[in-house]
Amino acid sequence: AQSVTQLGSHVSVSEGALVLLRCNYSSSVPPYLFWYVQYPNQGLQLLLKYTSAATLVKGINGFEAEFKKSETSFHLTKPSAHMSDAAEYFCAVSRAVSGSRLTFGEGTQLTVNP
Amino acid sequence: DVKVTQSSRYLVKRTGEKVFLECVQDMDHENMFWYRQDPGLGLRLIYFSYDVKMKEKGDIPEGYSVSREKKERFSLILESASTNQTSMYLCASSQNPGQATGGDTQYFGPGTRLTVL
Repeated sequence: AQSVTQLGSHVSVSEGALVLLRCNYSSSVPPYLFWYVQYPNQGLQLLLKYTSAATLVKGINGFEAEFKKSETSFHLTKPSAHMSDAAEYFCAVSRAVSGSRLTFGEGTQLTVNP
Repeated sequence: DVKVTQSSRYLVKRTGEKVFLECVQDMDHENMFWYRQDPGLGLRLIYFSYDVKMKEKGDIPEGYSVSREKKERFSLILESASTNQTSMYLCASSQNPGQATGGDTQYFGPGTRLTVL
């Protein structure tokens, strides 16, 4: 079975500081990995995804994530936080054999302080 | 742009009522999904469908059923609503057909917040 673990249900940063949201996965076969963002009262929106091409993946709004097989990690980063980044972030995993099924992590609520 | 719409943003029902949640996508996607979202638990898959009139159980199907009579529409049914089904329900769709593709993007609707009293 595949799974993801997000370390830290709440992360708080100051505006302009580095954002680091942690995600570790478990999968017996090479995974596809996703980060989604959910702004208040909205559905989920794709930030970026890893599909076995480049290990460093760039997404929207200045976010990027690096796939590290040796560490089974796919952490999300942004060099400088903006107030508009305040949202909930979800890491998710799927495998080719499971089709489009996604398994989500528990989510991390990001707060950006002025 | 892909658009996934859900019939209601907020819904209040009473215990024992039959509840229908509707989802429509406008991009001719093959796959459709229903999730529930609860604090601290992330999103959990209830049911999904790879084709019209086809459905498969997800991780938490108990107490739910689904219907997909048309490609663009996927309905979630609570046969007899209970208070533990109070939650946010999210519908999603994705393009690639079949079970051999794991990297396609799912597009989400805005969600329906259901309260069962």
